[in-house]
Amino acid sequence: AQSVTQLDSQVPVFEEAPVELRCNYSSSVSVYLFWYVQYPNQGLQLLLKYLSGSTLVKGINGFEAEFNKSQTSFHLRKPSVHISDTAEYFCAVSDSQGGKLIFGQGTELSVKP
Amino acid sequence: NAGVTQTPKFQVLKTGQSMTLQCAQDMNHNSMYWYRQDPGMGLRLIYYSASEGTTDKGEVPNGYNVSRLNKREFSLRLESAAPSQTSVYFCASSEGGGRRPQHFGDGTRLSIL
Repeated sequence: AQSVTQLDSQVPVFEEAPVELRCNYSSSVSVYLFWYVQYPNQGLQLLLKYLSGSTLVKGINGFEAEFNKSQTSFHLRKPSVHISDTAEYFCAVSDSQGGKLIFGQGTELSVKP
Repeated sequence: NAGVTQTPKFQVLKTGQSMTLQCAQDMNHNSMYWYRQDPGMGLRLIYYSASEGTTDKGEVPNGYNVSRLNKREFSLRLESAAPSQTSVYFCASSEGGGRRPQHFGDGTRLSIL
């Protein structure tokens, strides 16, 4: 069975500082990995995805993530955050079969001026 | 560009009442999903439909039923609502398969008293 663990439930950070949101997964098969962002009172939007190939993937809004197979991690990073990045971020994994997503518990990113 | 549309956006029910949450997508996607979101638990899959005419249970199906009415529409029914079903419900759709990202509606906020 697949599972996803987001290691931090809340991450406070000051504006223009770098941030890393951590995600670990477990799976016995090859997986596809996703990060989604949820702004208040909205649905989830895709930030980026890892399907295959280069382990460093770039997404929208200046975010990037690195797939590390040996450490089964897919951490999300941004070198300089803005107030508008305040949101909840979800890491998710799917396999090659039905396309079902397994989500982590979410990380609430709070950017302070 | 509507994407995934959910109705209603808010609903308050009394214990034992029934209701149907509606979801429609205009992207000609094959697969559709229903999730519930609870604080600290991420999103959990209730039911999904890999293609028109098929439905399958997800992680937390008890107390729910679904209908894939046609390729566009996928409804979720609570036959006898319980306070434990107070949650935010999200519908999503995708082209299908693990590589394709899911597109989410804005959610239905359901309170059961």
